[in-house]
Amino acid sequence: KAGVTQTPRYLIKTRGQQVTLSCSPISGHRSVSWYQQTPGQGLQFLFEYFSETQRNKGNFPGRFSGRQFSNSRSEMNVSTLELGDSALYLCASSFGPGDFADTQYFGPGTRLTVL
Amino acid sequence: QQQVKQSPQSLIVQKGGISIINCAYENTAFDYFPWYQQFPGKGPALLIAIRPDVSEKKEGRFTISFNKSAKQFSLHIMDSQPGDSATYFCATQTGANNLFFGTGTRLTVIP
Repeated sequence: KAGVTQTPRYLIKTRGQQVTLSCSPISGHRSVSWYQQTPGQGLQFLFEYFSETQRNKGNFPGRFSGRQFSNSRSEMNVSTLELGDSALYLCASSFGPGDFADTQYFGPGTRLTVL
Repeated sequence: QQQVKQSPQSLIVQKGGISIINCAYENTAFDYFPWYQQFPGKGPALLIAIRPDVSEKKEGRFTISFNKSAKQFSLHIMDSQPGDSATYFCATQTGANNLFFGTGTRLTVIP
């Protein structure tokens, strides 16, 4: 079974631009979560989508947004990029809500550099 | 506010030795405690996980010890190998798919 795939793997943007990152979950998984990883702040939760609805949101500004499509694929958008948005953006997929916490499987990430 | 405190920040172990990484949490609502392994340039990979109804889980050379009353859990890597050199993250989770990660431990296993 194929793992979580993320595209593109690398991106270079300049301040003020916007960017869209894509994530395809493991087949059969319907929940997609996004995380930001930086050396200073570590791994931080951005948001989670299930059945095309945002279920959870972390403590990030409104410039960070996402959506999920009917095939469970998800996109994340960052508008008006700032230098501090340079990070590894990770997508994780899981089956979805149940009685217990769900195991999340991560993709390789998209390395975003903002100049 | 750091939901999970992880130590040590870095660890150097001789090949064949035991690597021990510790984590502590505050929120008793957490009901899932995974450990992830991350190599440079890769995403975190699930290593082993435990739920609070058991005190220990072993998978090969990797063991999680869980102390619910102390709100602590630890990862033990037995017979550590150079290929185990990576960054290890503990995490906690409730029913919501929102993982709270520790700050990571960079493990170096010396041949």
